[in-house]
Amino acid sequence: DGGITQSPKYLFRKEGQNVTLSCEQNLNHDAMYWYRQDPGQGLRLIYYSQIVNDFQKGDIAEGYSVSREKKESFPLTVTSAQKNPTAFYLCASQAGQGASSSYNEQFFGPGTRLTVL
Amino acid sequence: AQKVTQAQTEISVVEKEDVTLDCVYETRDTTYYLFWYKQPPSGELVFLIRRNSFDEQNEISGRYSWNFQKSTSSFNFTITASQVVDSAVYFCALSEASGRTGGFKTIFGAGTRLFVKA
Repeated sequence: DGGITQSPKYLFRKEGQNVTLSCEQNLNHDAMYWYRQDPGQGLRLIYYSQIVNDFQKGDIAEGYSVSREKKESFPLTVTSAQKNPTAFYLCASQAGQGASSSYNEQFFGPGTRLTVL
Repeated sequence: AQKVTQAQTEISVVEKEDVTLDCVYETRDTTYYLFWYKQPPSGELVFLIRRNSFDEQNEISGRYSWNFQKSTSSFNFTITASQVVDSAVYFCALSEASGRTGGFKTIFGAGTRLFVKA
């Protein structure tokens, strides 16, 4: 069964804590993405990676960090520097790199809902 | 710069009505790709369709149809005889083949929330 998994589904964090959201794919896709979705709003790109050991900031990278040590995995850390982290976080993957990726659709995970207490 | 506008924030219809979701895009690339995704209440986005900039042929898939018009930079989505299961948020998206104006990432519109009442 090919797909993307995200864990946990729900996450609660106390203010000042760092938390890491997991994203794993077994689709053999090169590109992976992290988006943030706030109630009633669209998707905002946090970070993306076109290839292992390389990643780029998206539109709202401040207060977040990522790593891409393995092709299958793209974890997102929400740091204490992120002032308003309560949101729904979606991970996606896409076949191809660079120009060859732009043609392809993205495959999304089920999301992680993060709440700061 | 590339941009996707979905002017309709929410639409509410009664079952069996037809409904059209609007999408207008901006790009300076000559080769680009347009997408529609559906986000049901469960949260996971599901790919519906892709259209490349050289193919203006409209497409029909069951109750879904898409109208791509380069002259007006629009890629509208129509659901015929809507059903309660169509209730979801629908996103239009754009990616540019050259990556010139922002890399190869996909730009999503803000989404249109569709409510279909029984």
